[in-house]
Amino acid sequence: DAGVTQSPTHLIKTRGQQVTLRCSPKSGHDTVSWYQQALGQGPQFIFQYYEEEERQRGNFPDRFSGHQYPNYSSELNVNALLLGDSALYLCASSFHDTEAFFGQGTRLTVV
Amino acid sequence: AQSVSQHNHHVILSEAASLELGCNYSYGGTVNLFWYVQYPGQHLQLLLKYFSGDPLVKGIKGFEAEFIKSKFSFNLRKPSVQWSDTAEYFCAVNAGGGKLIFGQGTELSVKP
Repeated sequence: DAGVTQSPTHLIKTRGQQVTLRCSPKSGHDTVSWYQQALGQGPQFIFQYYEEEERQRGNFPDRFSGHQYPNYSSELNVNALLLGDSALYLCASSFHDTEAFFGQGTRLTVV
Repeated sequence: AQSVSQHNHHVILSEAASLELGCNYSYGGTVNLFWYVQYPGQHLQLLLKYFSGDPLVKGIKGFEAEFIKSKFSFNLRKPSVQWSDTAEYFCAVNAGGGKLIFGQGTELSVKP
């Protein structure tokens, strides 16, 4: 049984570009949350998707958007990349509000 | 505002020493509390969780944590650490609907 899988593992982008990160939740899970983890910090909640709708959102600008597909997989899109967007992006899945399982993350570097 | 504070940024211990990592939270609702561990190069894994009931919860690998409501604390403990416990530890609170608020993390280094 695969856990939470994220792709790609690493990514380098230039300022101003756009990026899409992908997440496949653990089998049986219907809720996907995204977190940003800057170096030396704890993960910060970006948003959560349930039934293909954004259910909750953290304190992130509209440049950060997402999507959830009928098979529960999810994408995180970031537009107009800034140097400060460089971070580890984590996807977590759960069945409703139960225990969250995390993927290994996508390391995004903006140059 | 909801927040989680971890007291120590970096803790260095020798093998067999006892461990206690502090965590305080600020949240007005019913709390669900968690400790996650991130081993080098690996994903975040759940160590233990508190939802309700016995405030002393036991997790994997010999870890335990005590929820003290009056002190808004959820400290992590282990009687005797091993070199393999070297990792980063995060305390988190469920702020409703599965949204987790994390502390800034404590890096634990265990010397053999």
